Amino acid sequence: SQTIHQWPATLVQPVGSPLSLECTVEGTSNPNLYWYRQAAGRGLQLLFYSVGIGQISSEVPQNLSASRPQDRQFILSSKKLLLSDSGFYLCAWRRPPGTEKLFFGSGTQLSVL
Amino acid sequence: QQQVKQSPQSLIVQKGGIPIINCAYENTAFDYFPWYQQFPGKGPALLIAIRPDVSEKKEGRFTISFNKSAKQFSLHIMDSQPGDSATYFCAASTQGAQKLVFGQGTRLTINP
Repeated sequence: SQTIHQWPATLVQPVGSPLSLECTVEGTSNPNLYWYRQAAGRGLQLLFYSVGIGQISSEVPQNLSASRPQDRQFILSSKKLLLSDSGFYLCAWRRPPGTEKLFFGSGTQLSVL
Repeated sequence: QQQVKQSPQSLIVQKGGIPIINCAYENTAFDYFPWYQQFPGKGPALLIAIRPDVSEKKEGRFTISFNKSAKQFSLHIMDSQPGDSATYFCAASTQGAQKLVFGQGTRLTINP
């Protein structure tokens, strides 16, 4: 069966520090991968998605970047965190060509202080 | 045209009541309409989904009603329980699309 791993679960970082969140999917190949952010009490904002290794689509201009160095690995990064980067970050995957079910990870709660 | 509008933002219902959450869309090319359930501190999970060739789909106590002409769909929870308290998201997609379009979410509270 397929599983998605996302870590860490909680992260507290000072303003200006770098960020690296990692997500891996097991049990499938060539998945579509997604990073979402959820502000407190708010909806799901799509940040990035990827349909293959090295292929990244950015949905909103911001202080973050994403990379997909391996088929089932998706990384969210920042060189210098801002206060506004605080939120609940969710990784998700779908079978290509991108229809049907979207499976979410357990999320990372990021607090930038 | 890619938006999905969800209402209400929050909803409080007594145990045993039937909460109803509504979503509306504009893009007539949408052909897949899922609902996701999210508990605090967890990722959303698929609850139930419908395609526009049917007007209703039931899974346990959860029912999706779909009105193609009105471009609306809704989630009903029968015999609601406190354990159903969560945030619910509707979404929509077209076949082959890379992304789901999510509604803004509804925070549902079921009081004992």
